[in-house]
Amino acid sequence: IAGITQAPTSQILAAGRRMTLRCTQDMRHNAMYWYRQDLGLGLRLIHYSNTAGTTGKGEVPDGYSVSRANTDDFPLTLASAVPSQTSVYFCASSDIPGTANTEAFFGQGTRLTVV
Amino acid sequence: GIQVEQSPPDLILQEGANSTLRCNFSDSVNNLQWFHQNPWGQLINLFYIPSGTKQNGRLSATTVATERYSLLYISSSQTTDSGVYFCAVDGGTASKLTFGTGTRLQVTL
Repeated sequence: IAGITQAPTSQILAAGRRMTLRCTQDMRHNAMYWYRQDLGLGLRLIHYSNTAGTTGKGEVPDGYSVSRANTDDFPLTLASAVPSQTSVYFCASSDIPGTANTEAFFGQGTRLTVV
Repeated sequence: GIQVEQSPPDLILQEGANSTLRCNFSDSVNNLQWFHQNPWGQLINLFYIPSGTKQNGRLSATTVATERYSLLYISSSQTTDSGVYFCAVDGGTASKLTFGTGTRLQVTL
């Protein structure tokens, strides 16, 4: 089934450690996104990429970095994790603006706990 | 940036009842989506509806772009409809969604 795959599903991480969350899509979408969801809140955009080789900052980018080496993969890296980065992380993809349909599709999420 | 407000924040329904969820947004949008987040945390696409009306089974949605609101209708609710319903919009040029804080729906027997 086509879609977005995130890994790991969940992770407990010691503060100060480095962690990369993986995201792969097979829908050939140009644009990809990372969001975080905190308890009682909607999702907030961390970083995005409109096409391979380009990235941009969202609403809450501090402490995170991304890369987009190819169309399918969009990893999110926490260089030195802190407890405030405990959250559920969602990866998404869509076609870029200017196309007929920019509907976004989401992965199943990664639950990250930083202790 | 664009603001998104959803109402009501919480809703309890008896199975079989109908409901209307509202999403107001502060600027013109290129994309508006409704999602259902189930109790397992999965985000399920319900509607991609920047304007107009769509129906899918017991669910339907209407977006009045000129008046900056969207409505999600749930008819004959079932316990499986429980969860959080999110409205998300993109008003810019890069398909970046801004989410509302959601409506938490509980359907009881």
